[in-house]
Parts: sequence; C-alpha cells; structure tokens
Amino acid sequence: GAVVSQHPSWVICKSGTSVKIECRSLDFQATTMFWYRQFPKQSLMLMATSNEGSKATYEQGVEKDKFLINHASLTLSTLTVTSAHPEDSSFYICSPYTSGKTDTQYFGPGTRLTVL
Amino acid sequence: QKEVEQDPGPLSVPEGAIVSLNCTYSNSAFQYFMWYRQYSRKGPELLMYTYSSGNKEDGRFTAQVDKSSKYISLFIRDSQPSDSATYLCAMSASRETGGFKTIFGAGTRLFVKA
Repeated sequence: GAVVSQHPSWVICKSGTSVKIECRSLDFQATTMFWYRQFPKQSLMLMATSNEGSKATYEQGVEKDKFLINHASLTLSTLTVTSAHPEDSSFYICSPYTSGKTDTQYFGPGTRLTVL
Repeated sequence: QKEVEQDPGPLSVPEGAIVSLNCTYSNSAFQYFMWYRQYSRKGPELLMYTYSSGNKEDGRFTAQVDKSSKYISLFIRDSQPSDSATYLCAMSASRETGGFKTIFGAGTRLFVKA
C-alpha cells in the first residue's frame, strides 16, 4: 500500500479564520490528488481532484474559492479552508494517486477540523 | 436512488462468527470494487479490491462481486474484536472527462463482541 501523511491530524479554529491541511505522498509521486470530506457517521464525499501543476476540478456544490487546493509538487498537496465556519467542521482526507503506480486508492490518516 | 447502497448497521456479532457485509449499486459502468476498513477518527484502510466478477480471498477476508446482480460482498471469517470498525464498500468508474471517480457506500459499523 501507499504511505500517506496528513498534517495536522486535528485542528480547532475560530470562525472566520483559514486553515491549511497538508497531504504528503511519502513513497511514490502522485500526479493526482483526491480530497474528500467525511461528516460524522457518513461516507466519504469527493470534494475535488487536482493534477500536479494544474487547477483542481471541484465537485458540484463545493465552493472553489472556499476550499483552495494547491498541488505544486508530486509529493505534496494542500487544502486551505478559507473563512471557516462551524458547518465546515468535518474530517478531511486526501488520497494520492498515479496511474500505474497504485492499483487503487489509498488514503491519508485524515485531519479533523473543528470550527468554533 | 443512490449509486451505492450499504446498510449502515450497526452489526453486532460474537467473536468467531462469520460476518457478511454487502453493497448494491446501480451504475453498470463501475469497473473496480473495493472494501475499506475505517477505525474511528482514522483514514480508510484498503482491505480488498477486485476488478471482475467472482471471489477473491485474502486471509480471513473474502470479497465477492456479482456484476450481473450489481451486488458485492465482504465475508470475514473467525471474526475478532479487533475487526470492530466501519467497513466501506467503494467502486470506481472512468469519467467522460478523463480519470475516474470513486463512489463510497455509507459504511457498515461492525462490533465483534469478545
């Protein structure tokens, strides 16, 4: 399986602040990064797909100006939640992927965001 | 109708029991079928993946795919308390715009009692 890290593992912030979540692919270079969100007792919902060096593609209903994704290198992608609100409190999980390198999707350990 | 249906449970079984977890789906374009295990406050961990109809076995786990019925299953033999977790089925299909998209089931919460 792939080795993926996320930082921070959990964060608490005040409403209106911005939070950056880092995702690192430690044992292979990921041309694609998927970002998911998971609310309590619900399944993973894809937020956006980013390809290294390109703009991210966002799923319907996900605000691109609120959830900024940067995939500047093959081993690092960041998700910034701007002007966070309590309804953004969730578990954010990244999933790096490269066709031919990984046979299926592997996931990071997740970042739990709580917005007060 | 959701693309993937999975009973959220919870499912409670005694230690040593055989566990059967199932998902149904509606999109015949799905090509890859996966099962993930997720412990509380952790990211999903890949257990099994299959490409075609049939069975695939790995230790105590057996994944079964029936494309004609659009039905997939995960069997856990000799279940252990450490198997207590949420099990997510997932399936992926190519996108018209390129790449692929994975759809997840809601997850079934499993409790194995010692």
